[in-house]
Amino acid sequence: GAVVSQHPSWVICKSGTSVKIECRSLDFQATTMFWYRQFPKQSLMLMATSNEGSKATYEQGVEKDKFLINHASLTLSTLTVTSAHPEDSSFYICSARGVFGQPQHFGDGTRLSIL
Amino acid sequence: EDQVTQSPEALRLQEGESSSLNCSYTVSGLRGLFWYRQDPGKGPEFLFTLYSAGEEKEKERLKATLTKKESFLHITAPKPEDSATYLCAVQAVEKETSYDKVIFGPGTSLSVIP
Repeated sequence: GAVVSQHPSWVICKSGTSVKIECRSLDFQATTMFWYRQFPKQSLMLMATSNEGSKATYEQGVEKDKFLINHASLTLSTLTVTSAHPEDSSFYICSARGVFGQPQHFGDGTRLSIL
Repeated sequence: EDQVTQSPEALRLQEGESSSLNCSYTVSGLRGLFWYRQDPGKGPEFLFTLYSAGEEKEKERLKATLTKKESFLHITAPKPEDSATYLCAVQAVEKETSYDKVIFGPGTSLSVIP
């Protein structure tokens, strides 16, 4: 089956640090990648959608300058949380999809804790 | 407004006690409905895709069905390892903009007690 690798799985850092999270599709070409945020016992909250080679489309209320997304190839997307603060602490999950109509396949998430 | 709801919010079953989870949707331009399973601290794991009313898919103790307004995930003789949150998601295309979007439901938390 389709495999999506997300790295790191867990990161703790000081306030003001920038953190980069990688999302790779290992066995298929991901035309579209998605970034989600999930709070405890809540469902997924879509942050942004990115198509390979294009600028990401951010959902309302998500700061573009805070959450930088790069989707430079068909197998890799990155999310950089710039100048992270404690309120950015959360579980971030990426997903990847091949062509339209196919399901998204998810990474195992990154637990981000900002001290 | 496009919307996806799931019921019940939480379900507690005895091992072997079959039941169904519901996913109801109101969207225009449905292109597909997906079921996922999510374990704590993990990303969702893909289970099924359903594209048209009347379609059914099965995998082990799980069976997913689709009508024009809802989908059911039937769990037959569940085991404790089936305990997880089950999410449904609907893919739709907005008529006015042709914008493609996926809307996730809030999930059903299933606990199967030995």
